[in-house]
Amino acid sequence: SQQGEEDPQALSIQEGENATMNCSYKTSINNLQWYRQNSGRGLVHLILIRSNEREKHSGRLRVTLDTSKKSSSLLITASRAADTASYFCATDAFTGANSKLTFGKGITLSVRP
Amino acid sequence: KAGVTQTPRYLIKTRGQQVTLSCSPISGHRSVSWYQQTPGQGLQFLFEYFSETQRNKGNFPGRFSGRQFSNSRSEMNVSTLELGDSALYLCASSYLTDTQYFGPGTRLTVL
Repeated sequence: SQQGEEDPQALSIQEGENATMNCSYKTSINNLQWYRQNSGRGLVHLILIRSNEREKHSGRLRVTLDTSKKSSSLLITASRAADTASYFCATDAFTGANSKLTFGKGITLSVRP
Repeated sequence: KAGVTQTPRYLIKTRGQQVTLSCSPISGHRSVSWYQQTPGQGLQFLFEYFSETQRNKGNFPGRFSGRQFSNSRSEMNVSTLELGDSALYLCASSYLTDTQYFGPGTRLTVL
């Protein structure tokens, strides 16, 4: 079953605009990760934010995490056509020696040139 | 370092057959996880191996199995294939239990 629920399901923006994607989850987590997938290929890791962190930056990416609301957001600034892809949030409910990623259904981002 | 590699990249099988997929993790990574991706169910966790032991398992039938070798390479096997097993199978490796690095996937089509 899906842990993460991304919102919106699809997003279309103009090149240069910012894209904001949201993710909500249900259970306590160790960390939350965002991945990008181009046209049914493998997933590319974008950023990881731990449960004790509130905000993290990586290049044009900014991720926030609100554990009280069980939600996260991914902001891509100054979007480019190459950012067109599906984006997934994944939660890691690591406890003890076991861990697995639980993915949401993904957000389809289209960046128009 | 070389990334995660998966072989084969594409596979076509018929119902009832069995299939074995292979995954070579990033050098030094001891954890290997497998995921199934379908349009209907999205990305679903199959199982995770660490030092040749299955540490975690998703909700898949016993037809799905896996193993890990001493060099951390992993294989997954699906027996008695069904049409619904058509999917992209992704393998991921990680150093501890942190960021997972994914391979390009194996696209399995069951006819």
